[in-house]
Amino acid sequence: KQEVTQIPAALSVPEGENLVLNCSFTDSAIYNLQWFRQDPGKGLTSLLLIQSSQREQTSGRLNASLDKSSGRSTLYIAASQPGDSATYLCAVMNYGGSQGNLIFGKGTKLSVKP
Amino acid sequence: NAGVMQNPRHLVRRRGQEARLRCSPMKGHSHVYWYRQLPEEGLKFMVYLQKENIIDESGMPKERFSAEFPKEGPSILRIQQVVRGDSAAYFCASSPPSQIHEQYFGPGTRLTVT
Repeated sequence: KQEVTQIPAALSVPEGENLVLNCSFTDSAIYNLQWFRQDPGKGLTSLLLIQSSQREQTSGRLNASLDKSSGRSTLYIAASQPGDSATYLCAVMNYGGSQGNLIFGKGTKLSVKP
Repeated sequence: NAGVMQNPRHLVRRRGQEARLRCSPMKGHSHVYWYRQLPEEGLKFMVYLQKENIIDESGMPKERFSAEFPKEGPSILRIQQVVRGDSAAYFCASSPPSQIHEQYFGPGTRLTVT
């Protein structure tokens, strides 16, 4: 059974710092891995999607990497800003089954202090 | 192109009442997914539907919960005889037929059972 873990659960950094969020998964037979951002009381915004055949994806100040063999992904945020404060969720989609089922971690709550 | 729409955004029900949550997918999307986020928990998959078909309901509680996605109109998640433990945020996502592995999320419905 696939399990997704995110460490740390919460992180507070001063503005301008580079930071890394971690995600691990127990079953490497994934179709893709996705990073989302969730603001309080709001829905999910997709940040980056990495297909299983890819190693990384970049968008602006965000870079996500995927190491399927070790069951790990990282989300790197460069030059953090107060507007980056949110909860970051990692989710994987397994091979097999209906492939409609995203399995989420519990998230990392990020606070960037001005 | 409007995003995934969910209504109501907030819903308060007394124990024993019925809750109906609606989801209108993005234009051109024929796949709908429902997820539940309990307080302090990650999002959990509930059900995956296509028009007039339930593809995967492996995450649905066995009793009181049902979902449909009719030929016309929004997808409905129905919870009968609500209990306090049903209080949660319910998120809907949709995807187009050609890209079923990328899901776009709505803002969620926050259900409170008093």
